[in-house]
Amino acid sequence: GNSVTQMEGPVTLSEEAFLTINCTYTATGYPSLFWYVQYPGEGLQLLLKATKADDKGSNKGFEATYRKETTSFHLEKGSVQVSDSAVYFCALSDQGNQGGKLIFGQGTELSVKP
Amino acid sequence: DTAVSQTPKYLVTQMGNDKSIKCEQNLGHDTMYWYKQDSKKFLKIMFSYNNKELIINETVPNRFSPKSPDKAHLNLHINSLELGDSAVYFCASSQEPSGSGEQYFGPGTRLTVT
Repeated sequence: GNSVTQMEGPVTLSEEAFLTINCTYTATGYPSLFWYVQYPGEGLQLLLKATKADDKGSNKGFEATYRKETTSFHLEKGSVQVSDSAVYFCALSDQGNQGGKLIFGQGTELSVKP
Repeated sequence: DTAVSQTPKYLVTQMGNDKSIKCEQNLGHDTMYWYKQDSKKFLKIMFSYNNKELIINETVPNRFSPKSPDKAHLNLHINSLELGDSAVYFCASSQEPSGSGEQYFGPGTRLTVT
């Protein structure tokens, strides 16, 4: 079945450091890919998405490119801030016969120190 | 205005009890979901409803029964609670059932079974 694998956390960075969180997927067909972010004590929010190969999603300085050849959707940010501390989830859309659902990776906790 | 709301935010109860969690969305979406997040932050879909009709049931024990009185509400009733049911439960909604669009999540309900 379809699945998503993320790099394990926690990831601890200093403010203004470069961030990469790796995400690879296994899927049949052509799923849409997502990054969701969960701030402490809150629900998930969509950070960015890409719906086809070579698409780049971007938002709030974060970027990820849909790479079909490497089945990857790595999240990057050039300069992280303390406010970026959160758990980041990579996900893909899994379209079944009757409806779709999101399949999530295990989440990567990011902690940014001043 | 809260887009997706859940009540209660915290729920502490004893094994064997029956409890309900309520979810409401004011986004006008046709599709709603329940996800379970375990202690390791892993998220897994439980159910999906489209226009009050069940479309996804991910082999969840039949002690869990979702009910959708109308498109804006999706409640989750749990019978005979077990220790393993302790988790955070998230409700979500989306405009379309395919899974390829953005899902909007509620703040979560932390269920603790003692």
